[in-house]
Amino acid sequence: AQTVTQSQPEMSVQEAETVTLSCTYDTSESNYYLFWYKQPPSRQMILVIRQEAYKQQNATENRFSVNFQKAAKSFSLKISDSQLGDTAMYFCAFAVRNDMRFGAGTRLTVKP
Amino acid sequence: AAGVIQSPRHLIKEKRETATLKCYPIPRHDTVYWYQQGPGQDPQFLISFYEKMQSDKGSIPDRFSAQQFSDYHSELNMSSLELGDSALYFCASSPNRGTADYEQYFGPGTRLTVT
Repeated sequence: AQTVTQSQPEMSVQEAETVTLSCTYDTSESNYYLFWYKQPPSRQMILVIRQEAYKQQNATENRFSVNFQKAAKSFSLKISDSQLGDTAMYFCAFAVRNDMRFGAGTRLTVKP
Repeated sequence: AAGVIQSPRHLIKEKRETATLKCYPIPRHDTVYWYQQGPGQDPQFLISFYEKMQSDKGSIPDRFSAQQFSDYHSELNMSSLELGDSALYFCASSPNRGTADYEQYFGPGTRLTVT
């Protein structure tokens, strides 16, 4: 069974600084996808970034980047130049075929 | 760009009543997923459909059923509602098209309150 673990229930960061959110997963599959979703107070689920397991290059989307360590089954999200609008719950998710599993989430607060 | 549409956005029902949630995927997306997110919890996968056939089943109670129609919209039917069914129900869609594209686009959710 696939499991996703986010060990940081809450984190905070000062505006304009950098923060890293941790995520580990467990699977016996070799081909899978990893995602970070953002859920602001509106509760909308917004895709932040995705990573294909077969790609060694870490994905980057503007201020968001990941550190994907396949052997360690680790998938951390780095947010650079944090903005107040980044305040949200962040869910790490793992998907193989049509089965997506989420971690428990990390509540990130960006402080002015 | 068109997004996933869910209706209604809010729904209040009493215990033992039934509810039907609707989901309209992004055009040309052929796969639909349903998730349940309780207060303070992560989304839990319920069920998915690909090309109008059930493709995967998660933690969906027997009291719930779902289907995908010929126009690819999906409905989640919930019967004998219980207080514990109060949650945010997300629908997501993805353009599988027979390829390994797992990116799911989420709708705004339907907030169901059972009293």
